[in-house]
Amino acid sequence: NAGVMQNPRHLVRRRGQEARLRCSPMKGHSHVYWYRQLPEEGLKFMVYLQKENIIDESGMPKERFSAEFPKEGPSILRIQQVVRGDSAAYFCASSPSRTKTGNTIYFGEGSWLTVV
Amino acid sequence: KNEVEQSPQNLTAQEGEFITINCSYSVGISALHWLQQHPGGGIVSLFMLSSGKKKHGRLIATINIQEKHSSLHITASHPRDSAVYICAVSSNTGNQFYFGTGTSLTVIP
Repeated sequence: NAGVMQNPRHLVRRRGQEARLRCSPMKGHSHVYWYRQLPEEGLKFMVYLQKENIIDESGMPKERFSAEFPKEGPSILRIQQVVRGDSAAYFCASSPSRTKTGNTIYFGEGSWLTVV
Repeated sequence: KNEVEQSPQNLTAQEGEFITINCSYSVGISALHWLQQHPGGGIVSLFMLSSGKKKHGRLIATINIQEKHSSLHITASHPRDSAVYICAVSSNTGNQFYFGTGTSLTVIP
């Protein structure tokens, strides 16, 4: 049973380009979370999605960032017009149901975005 | 003030030593998680607990709900235990995880 799969693992983008990060949750998991880890900082919540729905995006920057989790296919975190400050590790996690109920959460390996 | 505080931030130990990492939190939780992150690598969930104590190999995690405190212990530490250990709590009022800033552990042979 494959774990949470993220790709690409490493992505380099020039300022102003778009970055797309993909996350396939564990089989049977319908809840996906995205977290960002800035250099020398801890993990920060960005967005929580269920299939076709954004449940909580309170951690997402208001501009340039968007996320989706379509009915078919992986969840995608999209960053438009990237800036150097977007350079970070982006982690995806999945759970079978809401973390509020105390389910174990499984993390992907992370996607490292470098903006040059 | 962060919802989750960890101590120490950095820890160096000799191989074989008993290690304790502490975590305090200030929010109501449904569960507390201990995570391990290797340099340049992904994150592995070590424990999820909502009460009492859990043990897995040389790792032991305890939680005191009344005191809002948890500890992660590593017995007979080994260089391969060198990693960042992160305490995280899942809030019982929302959808979020709150993370500590992590404890960077280095075990010297």
